[in-house]
Amino acid sequence: GAGVSQSPRYKVAKRGQDVALRCDPISGHVSLFWYQQALGQGPEFLTYFQNEAQLDKSGLPSDRFFAERPEGSVSTLKIQRTQQEDSAVYLCASSLISGSTDTQYFGPGTRLTVL
Amino acid sequence: ELKVEQNPLFLSMQEGKNYTIYCNYSTTSDRLYWYRQDPGKSLESLFVLLSNGAVKQEGRLMASLDTKARLSTLHITAAVHDLSATYFCAVEALDSGGGADGLTFGKGTHLIIQP
Repeated sequence: GAGVSQSPRYKVAKRGQDVALRCDPISGHVSLFWYQQALGQGPEFLTYFQNEAQLDKSGLPSDRFFAERPEGSVSTLKIQRTQQEDSAVYLCASSLISGSTDTQYFGPGTRLTVL
Repeated sequence: ELKVEQNPLFLSMQEGKNYTIYCNYSTTSDRLYWYRQDPGKSLESLFVLLSNGAVKQEGRLMASLDTKARLSTLHITAAVHDLSATYFCAVEALDSGGGADGLTFGKGTHLIIQP
């Protein structure tokens, strides 16, 4: 079956622009996660949804970052007034159930470059 | 704050040799994950370790978990070039408040296997 998909795969933005990154989780997966991966580093947790509810947004680095999952399926991560330090790969992951023993399956990521 | 440390961070080894990657974490947890990442690609789930003493094997890779020592190992047996990648361990905090939670990743071990 289809895995987690993300679009766009690459995004170049000028400093100050707003961007929106999309994630399509595996069909039927309850949990959805966003991570930020800087070059040469491990992914860092940003936020987590269980269905449409955003249960944890403790990892969002600033109030310029906003995520939503209005119908409990597709999610969008929005970054307002982008800064150079926002340049990273943004990974989306989904898991089948809300129990914490389930594997998170990752999408291919969106590489964001802010000039 | 949960911290996850991997060592070594870089490893170059010859085909046919054995080696072990170590993953230490700072707080109580009994859920540990190993992922593989190829350059420019997303993360591929390798192992999920859910209890003290858990051992899982897939091909030339074997992972184990010691929750008392807060240590997991990923052992590579008779390495082959195709295993060249970056390997991440990730831990989920126990006190997540119920339900799935974001993972805390190590910095990754960049493994190069030379013919």
